[in-house]
Amino acid sequence: EAGVTQFPSHSVIEKGQTVTLRCDPISGHDNLYWYRRVMGKEIKFLLHFVKESKQDESGMPNNRFLAERTGGTYSTLKVQPAELEDSGVYFCASSPGGGATEAFFGQGTRLTVV
Amino acid sequence: GNSVTQMEGPVTLSEEAFLTINCTYTATGYPSLFWYVQYPGEGLQLLLKATKADDKGSNKGFEATYRKETTSFHLEKGSVQVSDSAVYFCALSRIQGAQKLVFGQGTRLTINP
Repeated sequence: EAGVTQFPSHSVIEKGQTVTLRCDPISGHDNLYWYRRVMGKEIKFLLHFVKESKQDESGMPNNRFLAERTGGTYSTLKVQPAELEDSGVYFCASSPGGGATEAFFGQGTRLTVV
Repeated sequence: GNSVTQMEGPVTLSEEAFLTINCTYTATGYPSLFWYVQYPGEGLQLLLKATKADDKGSNKGFEATYRKETTSFHLEKGSVQVSDSAVYFCALSRIQGAQKLVFGQGTRLTINP
């Protein structure tokens, strides 16, 4: 069974540009999460989808970030326009529905804004 | 609010040494506690978990006990190997299960042969 897959693995963009990160969760997992680790600090929650609906987006830093999960399968996270402080590693995770006790993480996308 | 504090790294040990990585938490109610590990070039993997006080999670020779009286979940291993070199993250979920994890800052562990 394929795990959580994230694309691209690395992205280097200039300040002001747009970048779209993609996450393919494990097939059948209703829950999809985005997290971010900035500058070697703690990993912080961004948002949580249940199927195609945003369950909790309290961690989204500002309106330059837009997450979608059309059809309840893969998800995208768009940053527009990117700023220097957006640099970091963006992780996606998924888990089955209900009170699942394990979230499965992807390898992350390392975003560098120069 | 909810938070997790880990001992600062990096931590460097020799093979077969005893390992402790401290983790304390602040949370309302009864959170679930987790240790995740990130090996070089890979994603985060769940190492072990505990969902209630006095539970002991264990996996691959690692152990951690949920201590509510000290709000701690320290990670231990009796004899580390070079292959244990990785970044270790302590995390909690205030909601039952693995929803909306709150992570510590991570501890980079290097094991020398």
